[in-house]
Amino acid sequence: EAQVTQNPRYLITVTGKKLTVTCSQNMNHEYMSWYRQDPGLGLRQIYYSMNVEVTDKGDVPEGYKVSRKEKRNFPLILESPSPNQTSLYFCASRTTGGNSYEQYFGPGTRLTVT
Amino acid sequence: AQSVTQPDIHITVSEGASLELRCNYSYGATPYLFWYVQSPGQGLQLLLKYFSGDTLVQGIKGFEAEFKRSQSSFNLRKPSVHWSDAAEYFCAVGAPGGFKTIFGAGTRLFVKA
Repeated sequence: EAQVTQNPRYLITVTGKKLTVTCSQNMNHEYMSWYRQDPGLGLRQIYYSMNVEVTDKGDVPEGYKVSRKEKRNFPLILESPSPNQTSLYFCASRTTGGNSYEQYFGPGTRLTVT
Repeated sequence: AQSVTQPDIHITVSEGASLELRCNYSYGATPYLFWYVQSPGQGLQLLLKYFSGDTLVQGIKGFEAEFKRSQSSFNLRKPSVHWSDAAEYFCAVGAPGGFKTIFGAGTRLFVKA
């Protein structure tokens, strides 16, 4: 089954404790992206990757890191989480070929930073 | 600045009634336009998209949307709402050939029996 998976689905952590949220897709998509969803703000793009070893900042990259060493994986790293990073996080992927532009979303990771 | 506005935070409609969700965008040129739906506890699913051509586009689940360049709008419609349509709906824009996507704040749809 074609899908985007994220782990963990729920995470509660404390300020300053480094964490990684994993994202993996099995559709051989070149493009992957991370978003955060907050009430009243919709989804805001954190980082995206056009292909392996190629990443760029979205609209809200502060406090986050990403890496793209393999095509299927795009982990989101919070080196020193703070309470304002409490949010619902979504990973998405799509092909860059053709004319689709349809993004496939993972189920989300709900992060709470205390 | 590029932005997407969904004026209605939430809308309530009766089952069987028609639906229109509003979306206005601010963009330098005609962007690619999308509507996504998010069911409770789920990720987002694409309903439909507009790139060019016919300004009335059909999507999945009986939804359609109309692009109006003069109004910078891309409103989503459905002639008869079902209880299973209760969800949050997001309008989004992207640059042709680009990699960034800008989402609106979303409209939550409630369906009453």
